[in-house]
Amino acid sequence: SAVISQKPSRDICQRGTSLTIQCQVDSQVTMMFWYRQQPGQSLTLIATANQGSEATYESGFVIDKFPISRPNLTFSTLTVSNMSPEDSSIYLCSVRQGEGSPLHFGNGTRLTVT
Amino acid sequence: DQQVKQNSPSLSVQEGRISILNCDYTNSMFDYFLWYKKYPAEGPTFLISISSIKDKNEDGRFTVFLNKSAKHLSLHIVPSQPGDSAVYFCAASGNSGAGSYQLTFGKGTKLSVIP
Repeated sequence: SAVISQKPSRDICQRGTSLTIQCQVDSQVTMMFWYRQQPGQSLTLIATANQGSEATYESGFVIDKFPISRPNLTFSTLTVSNMSPEDSSIYLCSVRQGEGSPLHFGNGTRLTVT
Repeated sequence: DQQVKQNSPSLSVQEGRISILNCDYTNSMFDYFLWYKKYPAEGPTFLISISSIKDKNEDGRFTVFLNKSAKHLSLHIVPSQPGDSAVYFCAASGNSGAGSYQLTFGKGTKLSVIP
């Protein structure tokens, strides 16, 4: 399966600032996704990162808050903008290498907003 | 409204015995189910999956059972080993028709295997 490198692995940020999380895959993948896991909760899909076009956001998530880039088939970024303590979560990049293959996840970014 | 529920937040099992992790779902459109294992400070790792056309799938020590009428699936680990201690997530997917692959996850069950 693809090797997914995500950074930073963790960060502590102040309210009102922004953080950009990077996801690098060692091979080209058709689909990349960004998930969030809030404390004590399940993983929730934020958006599908589309190569060369705007990301597709799930209900409750908007581009102004979580802008996403995907310039090529191996790299994506997620920015958490104007952070508040409620944004404290683990953010996970995931990829799907082809039809019928399961999602694979990076190790996540543990974000704490103070 | 949680569509995938793992009602046991934790489970302790003696080494060598069977671990049974349960998952219930409410959405009849789900037709593909997966189990992921997660160690601390790591991302979830795919473990095993099952399509709705089957009622059982086995891979080594891991077996997943699907009861469609009850909207229930379970993961059996036999024999359980200390290295199996992790959080296990149940996930489900339905045919979105758009080629995407969106998973709905449960909240996870923390399994502790006691030596």
